Formats: sequence, C-alpha cells, structure tokens
Amino acid sequence: DADVTQTPRNRITKTGKRIMLECSQTKGHDRMYWYRQDPGLGLRLIYYSFDVKDINKGEISDGYSVSRQAQAKFSLSLESAIPNQTALYFCATSENRGSQHFGDGTRLSIL
Amino acid sequence: AQSVTQPDIHITVSEGASLELRCNYSYGATPYLFWYVQSPGQGLQLLLKYFSGDTLVQGIKGFEAEFKRSQSSFNLRKPSVHWSDAAEYFCAAYSGAGSYQLTFGKGTKLSVIP
Repeated sequence: DADVTQTPRNRITKTGKRIMLECSQTKGHDRMYWYRQDPGLGLRLIYYSFDVKDINKGEISDGYSVSRQAQAKFSLSLESAIPNQTALYFCATSENRGSQHFGDGTRLSIL
Repeated sequence: AQSVTQPDIHITVSEGASLELRCNYSYGATPYLFWYVQSPGQGLQLLLKYFSGDTLVQGIKGFEAEFKRSQSSFNLRKPSVHWSDAAEYFCAAYSGAGSYQLTFGKGTKLSVIP
C-alpha cells in the first residue's frame, strides 16, 4: 500500500462547485503539505500543517482551505471552484526539514 | 527572494550517453538540497539529498549530484542514461535553519532517444 494516498485520482467538475481532495498517510509524519503543479511552473505550496493544531498558508492559498482531521489526514477544499484551479494537486509529508514524500496526485479539471 | 533555477526546460539525450541536469539556488546560507523525479502519472520520487558533509552525494537509480558552493549549484549527473530515465526532474531546496518551505525549480523534462 502507498505511504501517502490521495483520493480521488481524477475529478472533473463544474465552475462554482465545492470540491474536497483527501490525503492520508501511514508514515507517521507530523508535517503535511498541499501543492499544485501547473505545466512549466513546477510545484507551488498551497497550505502546510506541522501538527493537528497548526495550519499555515503557503504561496498560493487564495481560493483554497484545508482541514487537518488527524495526524494522518489532511484535506484540501475548493469552496467554489473556478477554471484556473484546473491543475495536478499533490499531498506530501515530512519529518521536520527532511525529505518530503509525495502521493500520486489528483488531476482536477474544472469546466 | 530565495529561488531555485533549472535553466534547461527540456533535454534530449541518446540512450547510453551521459547526463547532467543543472540546478542553481539563491540562498545566503547553505540550503538543504534535493533532486526529485516525476514519471508520467506519478508523484515525485526522491533521488538524492544534500544537507552537509561530502559534497558529492549518491542517490538511487545510479544518479549522483555535486554541491558547489562557489557556483551556487547542485547539478544532477548520470554516467549512462537508460530509456526508463525519461521523466521530469525537479531540484528543490530548504533555505536552512528555521525554514519551513521547500522551494522547487520549474523542472527539466528529459527525453531519451533509443
């Protein structure tokens, strides 16, 4: 089984809909992250969490929210999806400033 | 602002040829440096990392990278490329003590000619 699991893997939805992307991990790491990847732009940090009671905005948090339900679970929500949020989304985990471990991604298309 | 630059967007090499992918960083102190690889439809897999010590680091899949402080570089190398190495490669860095955010370069796509 994967250490970092993202669901769904693919999602197509319409503008204005509320979307939730989920991430769970079995690595026992305290730190979790959400990134989006766009062609030619690399990965950009949306939100990160150092423990259950700690949530922080990243580089591009506008239009997104997160919830850290448990040490192992970190979900990303788009309250009212818009087409320019079409992207590949990745969840990652780490111990302190160690290597980050990534899920396989969620491909989100907003029509 | 702190940044990671990968000057080459796309590189094509022949199978069996050597490979060097470039990465430059702009940090005041010695950053923590990483190389990741992303195959189509997959997440990012860690190839290697540098925190301190020996400036030549060995990674998985026959890759190595050398940290050069004087050039602010952390280039990735492989002596002989295999067709399965075709993927996108990302350099990334933490800016050191107190840093919380991993900054990624924009990636270099590697194509391998049989």
